[in-house]
Amino acid sequence: DTEVTQTPKHLVMGMTNKKSLKCEQHMGHRAMYWYKQKAKKPPELMFVYSYEKLSINESVPSRFSPECPNSSLLNLHLHALQPEDSALYLCASSQDPIGGSSEAFFGQGTRLTVV
Amino acid sequence: DQQVKQNSPSLSVQEGRISILNCDYTNSMFDYFLWYKKYPAEGPTFLISISSIKDKNEDGRFTVFLNKSAKHLSLHIVPSQPGDSAVYFCAATPERMKTSYDKVIFGPGTSLSVIP
Repeated sequence: DTEVTQTPKHLVMGMTNKKSLKCEQHMGHRAMYWYKQKAKKPPELMFVYSYEKLSINESVPSRFSPECPNSSLLNLHLHALQPEDSALYLCASSQDPIGGSSEAFFGQGTRLTVV
Repeated sequence: DQQVKQNSPSLSVQEGRISILNCDYTNSMFDYFLWYKKYPAEGPTFLISISSIKDKNEDGRFTVFLNKSAKHLSLHIVPSQPGDSAVYFCAATPERMKTSYDKVIFGPGTSLSVIP
């Protein structure tokens, strides 16, 4: 199993809603990531979890709240989002969280629209 | 300041010809480079990588060349196929440091169209 699975694939939410994005991998990877990608732009790193602990938060607003319940799961809780938060949210995982040379495996992403 | 640059936003190539996608970087600490391919509405897929101790890595139709002195790398696809039409992201990671964590820096991407 070399997949990173994200649910849902599409999500439309209002600015007062609370929703969660889910990500799962069963490759035994110990680093998991949330990226945000706007149209025609590269993915931008949001959070890094290493051994289930948050290790990097790239100054992301508190309306995005990550959670890593176990080594296979990564959630992103959303609350009071703005229309400009509409984007493709990508989850990724990699084997080695301590520096250097391992590629990340990406999920298909959740296309989020905030109305 | 963009640390990983892909100066061609788009590229069109005839089927069967060679596609050359270029990437430049500014951070001399980068020592591992990756190419990702992304189809619309999908996440990026890892394609090929190269370590700074090498100047070439080949995998089937895909070859990546690294010129460290010029801080430049390129991805060659030979022969190009219509299914190669996608956005290609160049990415780089810094030297392994025990107190730091892996962080992939992506370039802005080049959209490749392979014309049948």
